[in-house]
Amino acid sequence: AQKITQTQPGMFVQEKEAVTLDCTYDTSDQSYGLFWYKQPSSGEMIFLIYQGSYDEQNATEGRYSLNFQKARKSANLVISASQLGDSAMYFCAMRGRDFGNEKLTFGTGTRLTIIP
Amino acid sequence: EAGVAQSPRYKIIEKRQSVAFWCNPISGHATLYWYQQILGQGPKLLIQFQNNGVVDDSQLPKDRFSAERLKGVDSTLKIQPAKLEDSAVYLCASSPYRGVQYGANVLTFGAGSRLTVL
Repeated sequence: AQKITQTQPGMFVQEKEAVTLDCTYDTSDQSYGLFWYKQPSSGEMIFLIYQGSYDEQNATEGRYSLNFQKARKSANLVISASQLGDSAMYFCAMRGRDFGNEKLTFGTGTRLTIIP
Repeated sequence: EAGVAQSPRYKIIEKRQSVAFWCNPISGHATLYWYQQILGQGPKLLIQFQNNGVVDDSQLPKDRFSAERLKGVDSTLKIQPAKLEDSAVYLCASSPYRGVQYGANVLTFGAGSRLTVL
């Protein structure tokens, strides 16, 4: 079975600083995908960034980058130059095969608060 | 393009009552998902449809939950009878494809339906 672990329940970061949100995963699949979603207080899950297991370069999307370390099974999200609007819950998720079915499994999330 | 539509946004019911949630996915998206998100937890997949067929319902409490996807478009999730532990946000999502081989097959989520069972 696949599993996502996010060990930081909450983080406080000063505005304009960079922040790293941790994510480790466990799977026996060779082919899988890793995602980060943002969930503001409004409740909607917003896709941020994707990394495929065979991608050799770390994914980047604007201020977001994914620090993918395959051997360590980690997929940390880095937000550069944080903004007040970055305050939200952040979920790491993995798409892979779980008992034969392709499935997207989420971690428990990290609540990020940006301090002005 | 229009996003994933869900209704109602909020629902409060007494335990043992029934409730239904509706979802309209992004036009053309073949795969539709219902997730349950209990406060303080990550979303948990309840059921996944490919067009109008069920792909995975292994975590759906079938004694009280049911879901259907009519004509491969809209979907309804029903709970009957509701229990206190069903209080959660029910998230609907859709994606164009199914399968890891499609790479960034991104799920687009709706705003969710928040259920409170008293």
